[in-house]
Amino acid sequence: DVKVTQSSRYLVKRTGEKVFLECVQDMDHENMFWYRQDPGLGLRLIYFSYDVKMKEKGDIPEGYSVSREKKERFSLILESASTNQTSMYLCASSPTSGSWGNEQFFGPGTRLTVL
Amino acid sequence: GQQLNQSPQSMFIQEGEDVSMNCTSSSIFNTWLWYKQDPGEGPVLLIALYKAGELTSNGRLTAQFGITRKDSFLNISASIPSDVGIYFCAGNPRGNFGNEKLTFGTGTRLTIIP
Repeated sequence: DVKVTQSSRYLVKRTGEKVFLECVQDMDHENMFWYRQDPGLGLRLIYFSYDVKMKEKGDIPEGYSVSREKKERFSLILESASTNQTSMYLCASSPTSGSWGNEQFFGPGTRLTVL
Repeated sequence: GQQLNQSPQSMFIQEGEDVSMNCTSSSIFNTWLWYKQDPGEGPVLLIALYKAGELTSNGRLTAQFGITRKDSFLNISASIPSDVGIYFCAGNPRGNFGNEKLTFGTGTRLTIIP
């Protein structure tokens, strides 16, 4: 079974702090994704990576950066946390099929509160 | 980004009832996926569909890839308390060859009334 783990289930940070959210997958997947999920807005893609050291912006990259130094690990960074970044953050991974798209497997999520 | 239209937005049913929900798009999709999310957890993949007209079952769950390639349906038979949660559809639009990004539905919240 694919396993995607996230470093924390719950985090509370203060405005202006630098925040690191870590995601690890154990199935050798090429692609990794970071989403945020807010009531009424659904899942919104922040960034994704299709290879080590490669990244692409999603729909809402502002205020976020990412790092992928190893294939199994994808980090989301909030350089200076703000209250509007309070949300549920979900990491996902998928293999590259070379075809029309692939199933993504999600981690359990990190609920971040910025005070 | 684009979102898929899911209906209904919420459902209140009694245990044992059958459930139907659907997802529609204005454009053709090559892949349809159905996920379930329990409160406070990440989405879990239930069923994946790759061919128009395909009908696939997973236990009490059955999903279909619409013939027009613009919709998909999920049915749950004889609902039980652990079916409570939010169900999401997701898909890959036609023409996105090699693009691994998914488009997600708005979700259907299922509640079972005691």
